[in-house]
Amino acid sequence: DTGVSQNPRHKITKRGQNVTFRCDPISEHNRLYWYRQTLGQGPEFLTYFQNEAQLEKSRLLSDRFSAERPKGSFSTLEIQRTEQGDSAMYLCASSSTRGASYNEQFFGPGTRLTVL
Amino acid sequence: AQKVTQAQTEISVVEKEDVTLDCVYETRDTTYYLFWYKQPPSGELVFLIRRNSFDEQNEISGRYSWNFQKSTSSFNFTITASQVVDSAVYFCALSEGGKAAGNKLTFGGGTRVLVKP
Repeated sequence: DTGVSQNPRHKITKRGQNVTFRCDPISEHNRLYWYRQTLGQGPEFLTYFQNEAQLEKSRLLSDRFSAERPKGSFSTLEIQRTEQGDSAMYLCASSSTRGASYNEQFFGPGTRLTVL
Repeated sequence: AQKVTQAQTEISVVEKEDVTLDCVYETRDTTYYLFWYKQPPSGELVFLIRRNSFDEQNEISGRYSWNFQKSTSSFNFTITASQVVDSAVYFCALSEGGKAAGNKLTFGGGTRVLVKP
């Protein structure tokens, strides 16, 4: 059973550096979502893709953030010039727009980012 | 704008007690979905249930049950005969719109459940 996978699981970086995270969704899922979760809070929506098209971006997604899903399969989330406020867990989820499990989002284990 | 409120930040119970988690939501859409997720100490969010706005039937799955009441905009979750393995943070979430919508999730702040042996 291949669920949603994310790499790396942990990333420690210095302020000002760029980081990139990868998400591999469940293979038959056409939607892919990115969320951010800070300590003690619920996840917050960042952006989502349907196939390769990025259809919505949150106001939380500043100019330093960019996400891609070039072939409609895996996705990358890049943060440029990281700031300490970017420290959080970055969660990826995928879902299908078809079938009985429509709109059930399944989450990966997350990438925990620490910016020093 | 959609909003989810989980007023209880932490609940502590002794094993075998029942525990009910409250969830109140706000939305202007007539079509929406409600969810519960479990986040154990390992950190991965585990999907528990999805309900759509047109189905108010309560649901039971093993020791879990859910009470959906549109009149009070609530979707409460009960764990019967709690076990230590139920210790986790539980999130209620809402997504608006029908199949054409993006269905992004808006989460509540979560309720931490601690089950003591």
